[in-house]
Amino acid sequence: KQEVTQIPAALSVPEGENLVLNCSFTDSAIYNLQWFRQDPGKGLTSLLLIQSSQREQTSGRLNASLDKSSGRSTLYIAASQPGDSATYLCAVSLWTSGTYKYIFGTGTRLKVLA
Amino acid sequence: KAGVTQTPRYLIKTRGQQVTLSCSPISGHRSVSWYQQTPGQGLQFLFEYFSETQRNKGNFPGRFSGRQFSNSRSEMNVSTLELGDSALYLCASSYGQGNEQFFGPGTRLTVL
Repeated sequence: KQEVTQIPAALSVPEGENLVLNCSFTDSAIYNLQWFRQDPGKGLTSLLLIQSSQREQTSGRLNASLDKSSGRSTLYIAASQPGDSATYLCAVSLWTSGTYKYIFGTGTRLKVLA
Repeated sequence: KAGVTQTPRYLIKTRGQQVTLSCSPISGHRSVSWYQQTPGQGLQFLFEYFSETQRNKGNFPGRFSGRQFSNSRSEMNVSTLELGDSALYLCASSYGQGNEQFFGPGTRLTVL
């Protein structure tokens, strides 16, 4: 059974720091992996999508990497800003039992201090 | 291109009532998934529809049901509401199954 874990559950950093958020999954047979951010009480905003054949994706100050063999993905945020404060979730998509399923991690709550 | 829209944004109901939530996906997207999010349980998958057919279902009681129309718009219905159904209900659309998901703003349901 695929499980997705995000550590740490919460993180507080001063503004300007570079930081790394981690996402681990137990089954390497994924179709893709997606990173989201969620602001309190709001929907999820898609940040980056990495296909299973890719190693990384970049968007602005964000860089996500994927290592299927070790079951890990990292989201790198450069020069963090207070506006980056949110909960970050990763989700894997996999083919199982004749259909695609999305499995979400429990998220990392990030607070960037001004 | 318009994003995923959900209506209503907020709902207050009493126990025993039923509720219908609506989701309009991004134009051209044929897959719609529904999730329930609570502080204690996190994000839990309810069901997924693709081309008007339910393709996937999570571990929720039969009180939770859904459907998808020919224009890909989807509705979910919860009957005989319980206090524990209070949650943020999120809808996500994607072009096809397994593809990148885009979420709507959610419907906040409060059951009194």
